[in-house]
Amino acid sequence: EAQVTQNPRYLITVTGKKLTVTCSQNMNHEYMSWYRQDPGLGLRQIYYSMNVEVTDKGDVPEGYKVSRKEKRNFPLILESPSPNQTSLYFCASSPGGGIYGYTFGSGTRLTVV
Amino acid sequence: GDSVTQMEGPVTLSEEAFLTINCTYTATGYPSLFWYVQYPGEGLQLLLKATKADDKGSNKGFEATYRKETTSFHLEKGSVQVSDSAVYFCALSDNSGNTPLVFGKGTRLSVIA
Repeated sequence: EAQVTQNPRYLITVTGKKLTVTCSQNMNHEYMSWYRQDPGLGLRQIYYSMNVEVTDKGDVPEGYKVSRKEKRNFPLILESPSPNQTSLYFCASSPGGGIYGYTFGSGTRLTVV
Repeated sequence: GDSVTQMEGPVTLSEEAFLTINCTYTATGYPSLFWYVQYPGEGLQLLLKATKADDKGSNKGFEATYRKETTSFHLEKGSVQVSDSAVYFCALSDNSGNTPLVFGKGTRLSVIA
């Protein structure tokens, strides 16, 4: 089944403890992206990647890192999480952006205490 | 920059009522337009899309027409069901493929029996 898989689904962590949220897609898509969803703010893009080793900042990149060492994986790294990064995170992939639209993962609910 | 504005929710309808969720956009050029749906506890799913002016996207009884003259992409359904209860997001993407999805803030729909 074609899908975007994120792990974990739920995570509670403490301020300052480094964490990684994994994202993997099995559709050989070029484009991958991370979004966060917050009440009243909708979805905002954190980082995106148009190909292996090509990443760029979205609207809210502060406090996050990403890497794209292989086409299928696009992990989101929080080096020193803070409570304002408590949010629902979505990974998404697309064959080429634009007219193709994106396939989304099921989400990761992160709580930083 | 590009932006999407959609009607504030929540919207509450009785089963079999007619649904309209308004969406207007601001963009340079001619973007592709999308409606995504998020059911409770799940990720976003592509509901329908339109890639050029006057195109009509349709799926599961939902329709939306790309109106360039009014920069709109309103979502409609003739007879809603309880199972349509979800959050609906309007989004656009630059057809060049170099820019990510830009989302509206979402409209929560509740359908009561």
